[in-house]
Amino acid sequence: AQSVTQPDIHITVSEGASLELRCNYSYGATPYLFWYVQSPGQGLQLLLKYFSGDTLVQGIKGFEAEFKRSQSSFNLRKPSVHWSDAAEYFCAVGAGTASKLTFGTGTRLQVTL
Amino acid sequence: NAGVMQNPRHLVRRRGQEARLRCSPMKGHSHVYWYRQLPEEGLKFMVYLQKENIIDESGMPKERFSAEFPKEGPSILRIQQVVRGDSAAYFCASSPPSGAGYTFGSGTRLTVV
Repeated sequence: AQSVTQPDIHITVSEGASLELRCNYSYGATPYLFWYVQSPGQGLQLLLKYFSGDTLVQGIKGFEAEFKRSQSSFNLRKPSVHWSDAAEYFCAVGAGTASKLTFGTGTRLQVTL
Repeated sequence: NAGVMQNPRHLVRRRGQEARLRCSPMKGHSHVYWYRQLPEEGLKFMVYLQKENIIDESGMPKERFSAEFPKEGPSILRIQQVVRGDSAAYFCASSPPSGAGYTFGSGTRLTVV
């Protein structure tokens, strides 16, 4: 069975600081990996996705993620965080682009000014 | 091109009543997915439908919950005889037949009193 672990429930960073959110997955085949962001009371917005190819994936809003098969990880990074990045971030894994996704429990990001 | 439309945004039901949640997919999207998000948790897959077919309902509770996606009209998630534990945010997502990932709606927040 597939699963996703986001070990950090809550992270606080200062505006302008770098950010790394961790995601580990368990999946028997080649995974399709996603990062979503959710603002309070809102739906989920896709930040980036990895299917194949270059293991460093660029997304929207200056985010990037690196797929490391040997570590079963897909960590999300941003060089310089903005106050507007405060939100909840979810990592997800699926069997394809039109299949059910398994989500992690999320990491809540707080940004201090 | 409107996104995935969910209504109502907020729904309050008394215990024992029925809840009907509607999801209109993006234009050209024929695949619909329903997820449930309990407070402080990630999203859990419920059901995957194509027009007039349930493809995967492995995440649906066995009783009281049903879903449909008719040939015409929105997809409906129906919860009969709601209980307090059904209080959650219910998200719908849609994707085109080719896959290529999917788009989430803003969700329906169900409160059972």
